[in-house]
Amino acid sequence: NAGVTQTPKFRILKIGQSMTLQCTQDMNHNYMYWYRQDPGMGLKLIYYSVGAGITDKGEVPNGYNVSRSTTEDFPLRLELAAPSQTSVYFCASSLRTSGNLGYTFGSGTRLTVV
Amino acid sequence: DQQVKQNSPSLSVQEGRISILNCDYTNSMFDYFLWYKKYPAEGPTFLISISSIKDKNEDGRFTVFLNKSAKHLSLHIVPSQPGDSAVYFCAACFTFGNEKLTFGTGTRLTIIP
Repeated sequence: NAGVTQTPKFRILKIGQSMTLQCTQDMNHNYMYWYRQDPGMGLKLIYYSVGAGITDKGEVPNGYNVSRSTTEDFPLRLELAAPSQTSVYFCASSLRTSGNLGYTFGSGTRLTVV
Repeated sequence: DQQVKQNSPSLSVQEGRISILNCDYTNSMFDYFLWYKKYPAEGPTFLISISSIKDKNEDGRFTVFLNKSAKHLSLHIVPSQPGDSAVYFCAACFTFGNEKLTFGTGTRLTIIP
């Protein structure tokens, strides 16, 4: 019963570096999402996917890229890290069925860009 | 444009009393609402939800009330327990779309023993 697993839990990047935040789920959920949470703010949607091979932008996509080659995995790529990307990143998944619209979240990745 | 608002960043309640967390929304197209609970260093966990066809949903100590005309929902926790101390997020979505959740900014609830 792993649910949604995110790696790494913590990371410090230098400005201009790149990295991939990994997210995998074992619940066969078709929907997956990436959110970021800044201090004192709610969760903002970065990208989402409704199934393998299908992705779309959320509210704050600039500076990020995603791919969804399998149902299980939904990695988030930062190409040129900037201090504004310092945040806590949450991956989530959901199964779109009647009466069940809750997301399952991972435990988050805390990213600091210096 | 904050479509889902939680105007109280923090709330302190005595153990055993009722906790009431409030949430307002501006988009009348939202038709499904959820509450999430978040402990430090963990991801949010689903707590309770309500469809716009209802005005109340209850699950144990947790009850969510929806007032569509006022675009307002509230979460009641009775009785409050120390383990309820956490940040609570209100969220809303359109079920006829792709169900992207729009979150409020959260309310930090502290239960005082």
